[in-house]
Amino acid sequence: DTAVSQTPKYLVTQMGNDKSIKCEQNLGHDTMYWYKQDSKKFLKIMFSYNNKELIINETVPNRFSPKSPDKAHLNLHINSLELGDSAVYFCASSQHGGDEQYFGPGTRLTVT
Amino acid sequence: QQQVKQSPQSLIVQKGGISIINCAYENTAFDYFPWYQQFPGKGPALLIAIRPDVSEKKEGRFTISFNKSAKQFSLHIMDSQPGDSATYFCAGVTGTASKLTFGTGTRLQVTL
Repeated sequence: DTAVSQTPKYLVTQMGNDKSIKCEQNLGHDTMYWYKQDSKKFLKIMFSYNNKELIINETVPNRFSPKSPDKAHLNLHINSLELGDSAVYFCASSQHGGDEQYFGPGTRLTVT
Repeated sequence: QQQVKQSPQSLIVQKGGISIINCAYENTAFDYFPWYQQFPGKGPALLIAIRPDVSEKKEGRFTISFNKSAKQFSLHIMDSQPGDSATYFCAGVTGTASKLTFGTGTRLQVTL
């Protein structure tokens, strides 16, 4: 039933590790996004894919690599994790050119 | 560059009162202005939105007032309820990629 789902919900890992967050949407949307929400609750877009094509790529370290195997999935892989990567990561989806974005429940990443 | 400035950072309102949150933007390319509501541990969800050719939009207890010449818009919550306690984000949207630029958020607490 869940429209936009993310796994895992919590992720605790050590500095230097590589981790992935998965996102799936069952809304039939063709555009998906990754956002980062920092400890001060500030939300910032990282990436957006439309039909598996990267259309938004903000100034994000290249340790972050999104991958979209199909238009219903957008995964985020993070290499060589740093303390500053600790945040909540949200996946979202929308129709291309559409106004409303539907957000997932978030993945809280803690790097120790 | 913070393109959407939001105030206040936090707000305490008594039940039945009016909550007012203000935003100012710099980017004149924004063509859609949504407000998102976020409850603790959840992803943001679209609450109400407005286009710049309209000065006001009302949906139930929620009203957006928009001043294009001043590049400002605000959210008014009438008859505020404890269930409205959440963090509210204004945003501007640009382009067919629907890039969302969020304000810094306002934590609203409605007391009994």
